[in-house]
Amino acid sequence: IAGITQAPTSQILAAGRRMTLRCTQDMRHNAMYWYRQDLGLGLRLIHYSNTAGTTGKGEVPDGYSVSRANTDDFPLTLASAVPSQTSVYFCASSVSGRFSDTQYFGPGTRLTVL
Amino acid sequence: KQEVTQIPAALSVPEGENLVLNCSFTDSAIYNLQWFRQDPGKGLTSLLLIQSSQREQTSGRLNASLDKSSGRSTLYIAASQPGDSATYLCAVRRGNNNDMRFGAGTRLTVKP
Repeated sequence: IAGITQAPTSQILAAGRRMTLRCTQDMRHNAMYWYRQDLGLGLRLIHYSNTAGTTGKGEVPDGYSVSRANTDDFPLTLASAVPSQTSVYFCASSVSGRFSDTQYFGPGTRLTVL
Repeated sequence: KQEVTQIPAALSVPEGENLVLNCSFTDSAIYNLQWFRQDPGKGLTSLLLIQSSQREQTSGRLNASLDKSSGRSTLYIAASQPGDSATYLCAVRRGNNNDMRFGAGTRLTVKP
């Protein structure tokens, strides 16, 4: 693996179902992020983690939860999916959470909630 | 609340033209501004990062400028090529935290 991987690539999900999007990085970056990208709105930060064991809320955290048990993995869970969560989800990482860091992005997961 | 706007939403130019993409933001109290490239169905690739104390950054045919007082940044692409076709996004970072706000992007098409 080189960089950030996300799984699944795409998913169609019935409303009310639980779903976990997976994100793994092999760069030993301390900080990781989840964004959603919607047409005309750009990317919006859902949750972030500055280091293993800590997480924080971004701009649009409602309906999502995250955990950071180790450095490499940062799963995003939708406890009960709703159609408004249809979006493309990107995971990203950076060396640290400092403002000067460049963020590196995964290829994305396209999620459709019916 | 920080708002980031990119105009135009789409741009089509012939190969070889020099072009400018625009990004504006409402709150000038930023730490840095970053330009990204996104190819269809792909993630984002960082192109240039300008710290708030800087006026511009250059990488190859790309030059990004920053004018904090007016809330504007431009991405200049020289001698455009078909391979430059992509969506270009700008993002501003407000503080020493994870508050990074993105514009919706400009979709660039460079025709051979």
